[in-house]
Formats: sequence, structure tokens, C-alpha cells
Amino acid sequence: DAKTTQPTSMDCAEGRAANLPCNHSTISGNEYVYWYRQIHSQGPQYIIHGLKNNETNEMASLIITEDRKSSTLILPHATLRDTAVYYCIVRVPQGGKLIFGQGTELSVKP
Amino acid sequence: EPEVTQTPSHQVTQMGQEVILRCVPISNHLYFYWYRQILGQKVEFLVSFYNNEISEKSEIFDDQFSVERPDGSNFTLKIRSTKLEDSAMYFCASRPPQGAYEQYFGPGTRLTVT
Repeated sequence: DAKTTQPTSMDCAEGRAANLPCNHSTISGNEYVYWYRQIHSQGPQYIIHGLKNNETNEMASLIITEDRKSSTLILPHATLRDTAVYYCIVRVPQGGKLIFGQGTELSVKP
Repeated sequence: EPEVTQTPSHQVTQMGQEVILRCVPISNHLYFYWYRQILGQKVEFLVSFYNNEISEKSEIFDDQFSVERPDGSNFTLKIRSTKLEDSAMYFCASRPPQGAYEQYFGPGTRLTVT
């Protein structure tokens, strides 16, 4: 699985959009970008995934650059409950294990 | 919405004792996983299980660990002789056989070895 690089921490004001970047310059053609988050020692929670097109679901949007070397997870209207560690993981869909890095600790402030 | 459940939420045991952590995956899922997270550290993969056998395991998953699917609903992780360094949160996950292959995690069991 390709390596990813994320900022260690970010702050966001409540109600504003949170944009979390991820670099994955060694991504290969069959690897997808997955995002998970972990709220204070709870089990990680799947957010969204994509291959090359931008994706949106009820939780977030995922923007993947045309060269696929980086992506951005967007939480459009961050709330205090979105405070969590966000993990960007690159892998083939059929791959088994998830390899978690340190992720980005997002703090949403009032 | 279906979810992965784990019991107990917190287990305290003495060093050298055996513990069994239990998980009930989502009912139509066929792939099952255990991960652990030592306090303040990354989530680490332990083992994956499919079709009643281990499909992959990490270096952490040594002979002290075993997994079992004793019936159609439960998935267990056994640690035969616990060590202090086994103290961690243990997460079970499952994934559906098709689709995006995203994994759904349970709330975890906090294991404290004294």
C-alpha cells in the first residue's frame, strides 16, 4: 500500500468547512483513497473513498487531484462532534488489513 | 443501522491469565479483523479471518493469540497468557463481501493487564 503524508493537527471554526489534505505521491493505478476517522478512542469510522473522481456522501466530500498524488477531505460545515483524528489510507479495495498512520488531529472550536 | 458489537467494554485481568474478547460482526459480512491500539499509539492490524481460517496476520499476532468463529455470529480473540504489554484497546471489524470493501469497526474492548 502506498504511503500517505498528513499534517499532524489542524483547527477549524465550528460551522466552517474543514479541509484535510493528504499526499500520496506513490499511489498506483489500482489503489483507492479511503478516509476514516477516530473520535476519542472509539472504533475507527469509515467516511468515504474514491479512485479518481470527486466523491460526496452525507458525511463529506473527497477531492482527488488529476494526477492522483494528493487528495482533500472536506467536511462542509464542521461541528464540535467532528473533532477527531482523520486517517487517509491508500490501498487496493480487495486488500485486507488497513494500515493506519498517525493521521490528522482535527479540533473544531466554537 | 447494523453495527459491530464487542463485549466486554472493559476487561481487567492479571498477568498470565487467559482472556477472550468477543465480537459480533454485521450479519452479512464475511471478512473479519482484529486491531489493537495501545494508549497514545497508532491503530495496529492483528489478524484477518475469512472462510473459517486466518487469511493474514501481523508480527504481533504470535502463538499467544488465537481467533475463532465458534458459531454463525460470534468472532473471538483469545490471548492465552496475558502480558503487561497486551494492555490496549482491541477493535473488531468486519466488511461486506462486495462493494467498496470498507471496514466497519466495533466500539472496542479496553484490556488492562495488571
